[in-house]
Amino acid sequence: GAVVSQHPSRVICKSGTSVKIECRSLDFQATTMFWYRQFPKKSLMLMATSNEGSKATYEQGVEKDKFLINHASLTLSTLTVTSAHPEDSSFYICSAQLTSSTDTQYFGPGTRLTVL
Amino acid sequence: AQRVTQPEKLLSVFKGAPVELKCNYSYSGSPELFWYVQYSRQRLQLLLRHISRESIKGFTADLNKGETSFHLKKPFAQEEDSAMYYCALSEGKLIFGQGTELSVKP
Repeated sequence: GAVVSQHPSRVICKSGTSVKIECRSLDFQATTMFWYRQFPKKSLMLMATSNEGSKATYEQGVEKDKFLINHASLTLSTLTVTSAHPEDSSFYICSAQLTSSTDTQYFGPGTRLTVL
Repeated sequence: AQRVTQPEKLLSVFKGAPVELKCNYSYSGSPELFWYVQYSRQRLQLLLRHISRESIKGFTADLNKGETSFHLKKPFAQEEDSAMYYCALSEGKLIFGQGTELSVKP
């Protein structure tokens, strides 16, 4: 089956630093990847849609200058949380989709970010 | 406006009892609906999608356009079914409901 990995699985950083999270589709090419934020026992909030080779589309209320997304290849998308603050602490999840908009999304295991 | 609504945050049943996790949606046109499950400490995974009309792990879900519902059902719950369940609507991107935590007690 389609596998999506994320690295790192957890990261702790100091306030004001930047953190990069990688999302990789291991055995398929993903034209579209998505980044979500999940709060404990709550729903997934879509942050942005990332298409290979083009700029990400951010959801309303998500600061694009704070959450930098790069989708340089069909198997890799990165999310960089810039100048992180404690309120950015969360569980970040990516997903990858094959081609059409009706394709199943395959989810990564998530990255736990803690900002001190 | 909430596009996908799961009214129950927590549903607790005993093993062997029937279970129904409710999902209502708001969408004009033909919706593409999914149920995703997240077991403890595991990633979110697809449970089923309405167009395939299949039964996975004993779960089924029927799309009711009149009631705009896509409830997830299982006749006899098992302890291993305990997890977070998310209903989702696809409009190019997935819109998730708030999730329902299912707890199956022995």
